[in-house]
Amino acid sequence: NAGVTQTPKFQVLKTGQSMTLQCAQDMNHNSMYWYRQDPGMGLRLIYYSASEGTTDKGEVPNGYNVSRLNKREFSLRLESAAPSQTSVYFCATGQYEQYFGPGTRLTVT
Amino acid sequence: AQSVTQLDSHVSVSEGTPVLLRCNYSSSYSPSLFWYVQHPNKGLQLLLKYTSAATLVKGINGFEAEFKKSETSFHLTKPSAHMSDAAEYFCVVTSNFGNEKLTFGTGTRLTIIP
Repeated sequence: NAGVTQTPKFQVLKTGQSMTLQCAQDMNHNSMYWYRQDPGMGLRLIYYSASEGTTDKGEVPNGYNVSRLNKREFSLRLESAAPSQTSVYFCATGQYEQYFGPGTRLTVT
Repeated sequence: AQSVTQLDSHVSVSEGTPVLLRCNYSSSYSPSLFWYVQHPNKGLQLLLKYTSAATLVKGINGFEAEFKKSETSFHLTKPSAHMSDAAEYFCVVTSNFGNEKLTFGTGTRLTIIP
């Protein structure tokens, strides 16, 4: 029972490159979330999915797209990375009580 | 609408002394409140939660928090700090009705002095 897993753990991109961050959960939760964490700003919600087949924008969705592939998997895509997207990205699952993955540290140069 | 304010960005205490991390919240509805802890280069782990039952909530590792509606506060305390408590702590609010997205505070970094 791994809980919430994220890949990759680290990534360096050049400006304009694209990439997909993967998240999977084995907790059988309907809701999944993508957050970014920046120094002094706490966690901010990028996108969320209340159930398989549905996605909604959060507080900071610009520059990102998501796919809820099935109940277990929720991916985050950066189509054209920008230095402002340098951050640590966390996937989470659950409703009132959320469970977080270990994070992906992304640097865009 | 909901928001949360963590009143201290950094707190330092000596090992063995009490810890107090302060959090005030605002919520249009009956709130649920959480404290999460994040150790360096790790994900977030739930410490404790308040969901309209007992106002004094006990969590893991000896932490507890008291929900005070009149003061709109949910401060985190521990009687005696341990070196392993050094981490960043986040106060989080959500509502018991409507959408269930979490709103995070900006975090308090706790340093333990040997």
